[in-house]
Parts: sequence; structure tokens; C-alpha cells
Amino acid sequence: DTVLTQSPALAVSPGERVTISCRASESVSTGMHWYQQKPGQQPKLLIYGASNLESGVPARFSGSGSGTDFTLTIDPVEADDTATYFCQQSWNDPHTFGAGTKLELK
Amino acid sequence: QVQLQQSGAELVKPGTSVKLSCKASGYTFTSNHMNWIKQTTGQGLEWIGIINPGSGGTSYNVKFKGKATLTVDKSSSTAFMQLSSLTPEDSAVYYCARGRRVYPYYVMDAWGQGASVTVSS
Repeated sequence: DTVLTQSPALAVSPGERVTISCRASESVSTGMHWYQQKPGQQPKLLIYGASNLESGVPARFSGSGSGTDFTLTIDPVEADDTATYFCQQSWNDPHTFGAGTKLELK
Repeated sequence: QVQLQQSGAELVKPGTSVKLSCKASGYTFTSNHMNWIKQTTGQGLEWIGIINPGSGGTSYNVKFKGKATLTVDKSSSTAFMQLSSLTPEDSAVYYCARGRRVYPYYVMDAWGQGASVTVSS
């Protein structure tokens, strides 16, 4: 299975720029997607195909990367962005998720 | 708007089965695949499998073959997942999520609210 590795946690101040990384154990081309999950809620799609912003998602969110290295950027971060962010690949079978990066605001 | 309404929490005994439902609304049910995902604190998010509501065709994560069975009822726009031979390791929150085809891959663009399954004697 394709293993996706994310850093476990980040803490930033509102107004700052934050980058969340995801590294795949093998190439996933651009089949990488990012989700936001707040406590007690279901995941929400933010970015698909590595860099495409899902409809209705603020333009503060952006994604980049291809192959094995991917980044989700939030600029500027707002208080409401406190959540866990997951990467997920749908290029290789089975589809797999990263363990998530918990974003906290200072 | 697209909505996926899942059935409620279940408390079940080891060795038994449970069938979860996911009722879709706000779109044509047969136009999108449906995924099922397991979430636990220890293992995180795991993709269980996907079903094509139009054809009934399925694809499973090898890890969940024999454990999960995906079906649909087109007349009620509802997807189902049956979990069999339950053990405490099956205790989790289970989500259904609509698959949107963005060639050459699928994304999960709408998720149900999740259904908690607790396996305990």
C-alpha cells in the first residue's frame, strides 16, 4: 500500500502562512487530495488533484506538488482553520490516507 | 445540495453482523460512485471500498474483503455496508462518501456525518 507521511502537529498565529506537507512512499502522480476535519465532524474536501480548489473553499487554501511530495498552504491562517488536515491518494490501489496534521492556533 | 444521511450509532456483540445505511439526496444517485471509509483513533482513516450504484459493481480494499459487503437500493437512493463477524477491532466511525470522477482519478467530495459502531459484549 502507498504510505502517506505527514507531520503530526503545527502551531501558528492567525494571519501567518502555514504549509502542511505530505510525502508518498511511491508516486501518486497528481492523484493527491486534501481534507479538513474538525472535531466531531466529517472530513471536508479542500483540494483535489494536488492543486485544484474545491468549489466553495476559500482561496486562502492552495495545494501543490506531484509524484511523491505535496503541500497544502493556508495563507493567511484564520482562527476557524483549527482542525486536522489529511492528505489522501487515489492513484494507487488501495486508496490511502495520511495520519493527519493537527493545526492549532496560538 | 448534496446530502448523505447515515444511520445511527450501533452497539453490537462480537461475532454478529451490522448493516449501515447512507441515504443520498440532492443529486442523481446512479451518477456517482459511493465510497466507505473507516476511522479509528489508532489506525486513522482507511478506505474500505467503492460501489457503482448504477451497475452494482464493487471494488474492495483487500484488507476488508470478507469483512465488508457493499450494496445499494436504487429505488431509495441508499447505499449499504454490511460488516460481518464483528470483533472489537471493528469498533470505529464509518463514513460514506460520494465519489466524483475527475479523470484520471476519483475524489470524495461529499461525506455523510458518520456512524459509530461499538463492538462489545
